[in-house]
Amino acid sequence: EVQLVQSGAEVKKPGESLRISCKASGYSFTNSWITWVRQMPGKGLEWMARIDPSDSYTQYSRSLQGHVTFSTDKSTSSAYLQWSSLKASDTAMYYCARQVRSSSSGFDFWGQGTLVTVSS
Amino acid sequence: QSVLTQPPSASGTPGQRVTISCSGSDSNIGGNTVNWYQQLPGTAPKLLIHNNNQRPSGVPDRFSASKSGTSASLAISGLQSEDEADYYCAAWDDSLNGAVFGGGTQLTVL
Repeated sequence: EVQLVQSGAEVKKPGESLRISCKASGYSFTNSWITWVRQMPGKGLEWMARIDPSDSYTQYSRSLQGHVTFSTDKSTSSAYLQWSSLKASDTAMYYCARQVRSSSSGFDFWGQGTLVTVSS
Repeated sequence: QSVLTQPPSASGTPGQRVTISCSGSDSNIGGNTVNWYQQLPGTAPKLLIHNNNQRPSGVPDRFSASKSGTSASLAISGLQSEDEADYYCAAWDDSLNGAVFGGGTQLTVL
């Protein structure tokens, strides 16, 4: 059974660093992409990036402007989203999702989401 | 302002058929496949339709979708109370070199 299990909710202060995780199981981790999606409070879905776990090649949303870093660890089948200096505007629910390597595929399995709250 | 345009809301009564539109451009819907997601309140999104009109295993055939040119639409027939959710269209955008979502449509079952 394909599963993506994300790390728990976080409450941080502006300027602090944070790394959240997404652990995959039930399939070959390097055979599919991992996508990250942001959902700000009361808002819609926003694509952040897609990372290829086989070589860590990442395609970013231009709106991120280098504010976050994406990575994977093949040894633990995990994907990570990291901030070095959080802002209040980073407050959101973050989802990871799997995408089979195909131009016509969708995000077929999703993590449960990690709620990040940034507040002084 | 989302790259793909959806109506913010839609509604119908049980048993009715409702449609949700999604409008884009040549760089996204016009040149790539469209996927649809359902997000029930307080839960993660779920893939509802992929490759323009294909239903993943387990998705009822009450849900159907189509694409024409730079627009797409999702249809839900035999509306049920459990269909009350937010629905999002998405596609790859060749100009942005990234995926784009519609703003979402909140479906209310009256």
